[in-house]
Amino acid sequence: GQQLNQSPQSMFIQEGEDVSMNCTSSSIFNTWLWYKQDPGEGPVLLIALYKAGELTSNGRLTAQFGITRKDSFLNISASIPSDVGIYFCAGVKYGNKLVFGAGTILRVKS
Amino acid sequence: GAVVSQHPSRVICKSGTSVKIECRSLDFQATTMFWYRQFPKQSLMLMATSNEGSKATYEQGVEKDKFLINHASLTLSTLTVTSAHPEDSSFYICSALVATLNTEAFFGQGTRLTVV
Repeated sequence: GQQLNQSPQSMFIQEGEDVSMNCTSSSIFNTWLWYKQDPGEGPVLLIALYKAGELTSNGRLTAQFGITRKDSFLNISASIPSDVGIYFCAGVKYGNKLVFGAGTILRVKS
Repeated sequence: GAVVSQHPSRVICKSGTSVKIECRSLDFQATTMFWYRQFPKQSLMLMATSNEGSKATYEQGVEKDKFLINHASLTLSTLTVTSAHPEDSSFYICSALVATLNTEAFFGQGTRLTVV
């Protein structure tokens, strides 16, 4: 079963706000991957993290691989409407098996 | 990133018929591919791991005879939903593993299956 706790489950954003989400686990992972999924599409890889403590940016996105190797966070700065979607974290274990978080749904405040 | 092509993107079939979904890695060889099922607003549920040249490994609760997986080449895995029923209607997604120096997984576009 699923072993990653991803939070928050959902959040509303106002354009220009910074957004933060994280994943935690009781297990150690070798790699953390962050994906974004738009409705009716497959997930798209945003950021990959390979070393404990690693901090990686991709445009307005920043993600970190926790020192304990049991957690990771993703930040989105200065959010824009197209940031809306579902974000998933995934941990890669020995044997290359991926474990997914439940997802964080990002919506726009109206 | 690497490109994974999944086909068809949408399919409607009658109950009792079988449907085949293809997953191709376009610019790399994938010894391992994964098949997922996703319900609305939920995470991806791993169904099976497909290894080139060998039998797929199914997750607990997934019927092997219902969801046939074939990984005959390093660039193609297929999922066949046999004798489909309305409860098989779902979004099916494949992903291919790139495991060179580091491990990354890239997803296909998904297939929306509707069984009527």
